[in-house]
Amino acid sequence: SQTIHQWPATLVQPVGSPLSLECTVEGTSNPNLYWYRQAAGRGLQLLFYSVGIGQISSEVPQNLSASRPQDRQFILSSKKLLLSDSGFYLCAWSTRQGVNEGQPQHFGDGTRLSIL
Amino acid sequence: QQQVKQSPQSLIVQKGGISIINCAYENTAFDYFPWYQQFPGKGPALLIAIRPDVSEKKEGRFTISFNKSAKQFSLHIMDSQPGDSATYFCAASSGEAAGNKLTFGGGTRVLVKP
Repeated sequence: SQTIHQWPATLVQPVGSPLSLECTVEGTSNPNLYWYRQAAGRGLQLLFYSVGIGQISSEVPQNLSASRPQDRQFILSSKKLLLSDSGFYLCAWSTRQGVNEGQPQHFGDGTRLSIL
Repeated sequence: QQQVKQSPQSLIVQKGGISIINCAYENTAFDYFPWYQQFPGKGPALLIAIRPDVSEKKEGRFTISFNKSAKQFSLHIMDSQPGDSATYFCAASSGEAAGNKLTFGGGTRVLVKP
């Protein structure tokens, strides 16, 4: 069965510090990968998605970047964090094995990021 | 055109009652409509999903009703239980051509009172 791992679960960082959040997927190959941010009590905002190694699409211009160095690894980064980067960051994956129809996305348990 | 509008923002229902959440969309290219359930501190979990060639889908106590002409779909939670207290999100996707991206509604916080 497929599983998705995100770490760390909680992170407290000072303003101006760098950030690296990692997400890995097991049990599937060539997935689509996604990074979302969720503000407290709010919906999910898609930040980045990737359909393959090295292929990153940005949905919202901001202080963050994403990379996909391996097929099942997705990394969210920042060189200098802002207060506004606080939030709940979620990674998700979906299958893309030649299926054209919309497919479910499966989420990790997220990273709670607090910027001080 | 990409929005999915969800209502209500919150609702309170008595144990055993029916919870109803509604969503509306504009993009006729959407071809997949999932619902997610999220508990505090956890990621959303897929609850049930429907495609536009079906008007209703039922899984246990959860039912999706879909009205393609009105571009609306809804989630019904029958015999609501305190364990159903969570935030529910509807979503829509237009498939792999669009990176299988999901457009989410704003969420509905459901509280089931014992």
